[in-house]
Amino acid sequence: SQQGEEDPQALSIQEGENATMNCSYKTSINNLQWYRQNSGRGLVHLILIRSNEREKHSGRLRVTLDTSKKSSSLLITASRAADTASYFCAANAGGTSYGKLTFGQGTILTVHP
Amino acid sequence: NAGVTQTPKFQVLKTGQSMTLQCAQDMNHNSMYWYRQDPGMGLRLIYYSASEGTTDKGEVPNGYNVSRLNKREFSLRLESAAPSQTSVYFCASRSAMYNEQFFGPGTRLTVL
Repeated sequence: SQQGEEDPQALSIQEGENATMNCSYKTSINNLQWYRQNSGRGLVHLILIRSNEREKHSGRLRVTLDTSKKSSSLLITASRAADTASYFCAANAGGTSYGKLTFGQGTILTVHP
Repeated sequence: NAGVTQTPKFQVLKTGQSMTLQCAQDMNHNSMYWYRQDPGMGLRLIYYSASEGTTDKGEVPNGYNVSRLNKREFSLRLESAAPSQTSVYFCASRSAMYNEQFFGPGTRLTVL
């Protein structure tokens, strides 16, 4: 079963706008990660937020984590056409999970020039 | 540094045929993973190897076997392919220091 569920399933915006994607997960986590997948390619790691962190920034990316609600959000600011891709959250339970990740279904982001 | 490499890139099998998907990483990572990705879905873990010499089942292991040949290589075998195994298969390895996973480019498998 999928640990994470993402919302929305698809998002279409204009270049320059912000894009927000949400993720919910079911069990306790050690960290939550976001990945990007361009069409027909493998996943690329974007950012990791630990369970004791509430917000993290990396360039135009901002991730928040609310462990009480078991949810996370990824904000991409000032989007570009090159940001068009699928975005996945992935939960790591930590402990003896050996880094295993449980992925959400993903959000397909389309940024129109 | 090639990162994570997978072969083949594409494969078409007939029901009942067998094949092995190869994966290798050159980042000296201990942990490696096999996932499958079906349309409109995220990735689901098939098997993983926490370290050389160990393998364990993931979420969807039925119909698959794996071999951790050495620290670099982790192969996935389909003994008797079924149409339900039509999917894109990704191999990944994990950086223990930073906890992120590095993915290969994928193998697109069709079982007729």
